[in-house]
Amino acid sequence: KNQVEQSPQSLIILEGKNCTLQCNYTVSPFSNLRWYKQDTGRGPVSLTIMTFSENTKSNGRYTATLDADTKQSSLHITASQLSDSASYICVVKKTSYDKVIFGPGTSLSVIP
Amino acid sequence: SAVISQKPSRDICQRGTSLTIQCQVDSQVTMMFWYRQQPGQSLTLIATANQGSEATYESGFVIDKFPISRPNLTFSTLTVSNMSPEDSSIYLCSVEQGSNYGYTFGSGTRLTVV
Repeated sequence: KNQVEQSPQSLIILEGKNCTLQCNYTVSPFSNLRWYKQDTGRGPVSLTIMTFSENTKSNGRYTATLDADTKQSSLHITASQLSDSASYICVVKKTSYDKVIFGPGTSLSVIP
Repeated sequence: SAVISQKPSRDICQRGTSLTIQCQVDSQVTMMFWYRQQPGQSLTLIATANQGSEATYESGFVIDKFPISRPNLTFSTLTVSNMSPEDSSIYLCSVEQGSNYGYTFGSGTRLTVV
């Protein structure tokens, strides 16, 4: 049973448009949730990390939200650019001493 | 955050041979993690490498197939042994500097076994 699920599996948007990626998790207890961007053939790069008490966190054009009650997170990308084309991975950590659990990722393609 | 140098970035290997992947971190870290990412899949943890002790392997991964070295707090290697085409994947190393910080990943090694 997947403990971290992401939707959509893939997404194509026009350059300049906004989009929102979803992450639902069943992990409990919960320590923090992270969003990563992974360009093709490269290692993931951290975008945001949110703890239980944080509702929103921004990193440039990326804004992540977290609802710990419903166990949902979203990553909103504003004014998309061609360089945003990548896989976006939601990662959840149970406690400070646990390993992380990776979601399957959302593949985003931004087209001109 | 830490900076990780991983090499090689890619390689094409013959089946039955072995490949050793190296990761060098610019700061001392207690644990280093090795992941495999098969085509179109998310990351799967292979093992956790601790300095001064044997690596801890996840279910489905064994030391004979993926021997790991961790000679000091800034360096680790992962060897993919007796390779078959099913081992074709991206292999990544990673470190975490405190539970409130994200993981830092190496740039990955894209392995193709022919």
